[in-house]
Amino acid sequence: DQQVKQNSPSLSVQEGRISILNCDYTNSMFDYFLWYKKYPAEGPTFLISISSIKDKNEDGRFTVFLNKSAKHLSLHIVPSQPGDSAVYFCAATFDTGNQFYFGTGTSLTVIP
Amino acid sequence: DTGVSQDPRHKITKRGQNVTFRCDPISEHNRLYWYRQTLGQGPEFLTYFQNEAQLEKSRLLSDRFSAERPKGSFSTLEIQRTEQGDSAMYLCASSTGLGSAYEQYFGPGTRLTVT
Repeated sequence: DQQVKQNSPSLSVQEGRISILNCDYTNSMFDYFLWYKKYPAEGPTFLISISSIKDKNEDGRFTVFLNKSAKHLSLHIVPSQPGDSAVYFCAATFDTGNQFYFGTGTSLTVIP
Repeated sequence: DTGVSQDPRHKITKRGQNVTFRCDPISEHNRLYWYRQTLGQGPEFLTYFQNEAQLEKSRLLSDRFSAERPKGSFSTLEIQRTEQGDSAMYLCASSTGLGSAYEQYFGPGTRLTVT
């Protein structure tokens, strides 16, 4: 069963505008959520994470929001840059960090 | 340190053959994970090592798959009697397990094609 879902396979945004990538999960017991970015022919690269006890975490142009009641998280990229064009995965894990559950990814295209 | 490395980067094999992949994690990382990724999907967890101990294994993992991490350094993933459904990208990741985020560093992956 898919415990982490990304329902938008692709997203196109103009350079300088905000990109919002969404992720839903089913297991309310997850303790941490992470976002990864992946370029073709490379492994995923960690972007930002958030603990389940927080509702927001910010790192430069990247902000992750967590809505536990809705079992929903989102990644905001402001301003979007052409170099942000990649596939973005959200992931979730429990406190032990022994196993991670990934979504199917959203392909972001930032148009110059 | 140059990051997580995986070898080979590409492997083509005939159905029924055995294959083995190697992962060299970042040297101070005691946690090591193996994932499988197919087209249009996210990484699917296969197994997890803490040092040399295999602490977690996916319920979906066939008994044709086996992984080792002798001495808690590099790791190998072996697939016996390969099937066409095994064709995928196999990713390795490592982390320190410190802090609260369990941030993982991924290798470039080994692409397996079973003909």
